[in-house]
Amino acid sequence: EVQLVESGGGLIQPGRSLRLSCTASGFTFGDYAVSWVRQAPGKGLEWVGFIRSKAYGGTTEYAASVRGRFTISRDDSKSIAYLQMNSLKTEDTAVYYCTRDLHHDAFDIWGQGTMVTVS
Amino acid sequence: DIQLTQSPSFLSASVGDRVTITCRASQGISSYLAWYQQKPGKAPKLLIYTASTLQSGVPSRFSGSGSGTEFTLTISSLQPEDFATYYCQQLNSYPRTFGQGTKVEIK
Repeated sequence: EVQLVESGGGLIQPGRSLRLSCTASGFTFGDYAVSWVRQAPGKGLEWVGFIRSKAYGGTTEYAASVRGRFTISRDDSKSIAYLQMNSLKTEDTAVYYCTRDLHHDAFDIWGQGTMVTVS
Repeated sequence: DIQLTQSPSFLSASVGDRVTITCRASQGISSYLAWYQQKPGKAPKLLIYTASTLQSGVPSRFSGSGSGTEFTLTISSLQPEDFATYYCQQLNSYPRTFGQGTKVEIK
């Protein structure tokens, strides 16, 4: 079964750091880009950033709201993507989803999400 | 940044109704638009990509159309399991952006 599973969420104080993991299974993880999307309680979806596959340089893009504080990386040998979140703010409180990013097409696979509460 | 505006934001409909949701982009995005369905407490699910291509496994009562700046998602005959929130997303440029969502509730 093709799936993504996030982990690492929890309650964290403002200004602290947290790292989320996204573990893939059922497909060749290294062939795909990964995007992170978040959803604040009762709100809509917000794209956080993404990492290209190694074939396209493994480079990253970020939303302005997190640029300079969040870093996305990947370990294709373990089929894991990471979201390192530094200098957390209360407004970063959200469910964080990792997704399989098909570039111009869509985000076709979503994890179940992990909740991050900054308080 | 490209802004996406969905209308309506809220829709009350009955089982069997034909439902149309519109998504307007602040600038042209070719056909790089996707639609997602989200139910409470669940992750979004891809319904439509490249504006009109039905994702595998999605019922044929869902359809999408449009290009440039105006797009629509249509549900031809609303079923009980379709009551959810729907989001459009542009994949033309970064940052990727989503519409604000359309909540479809039971009349």
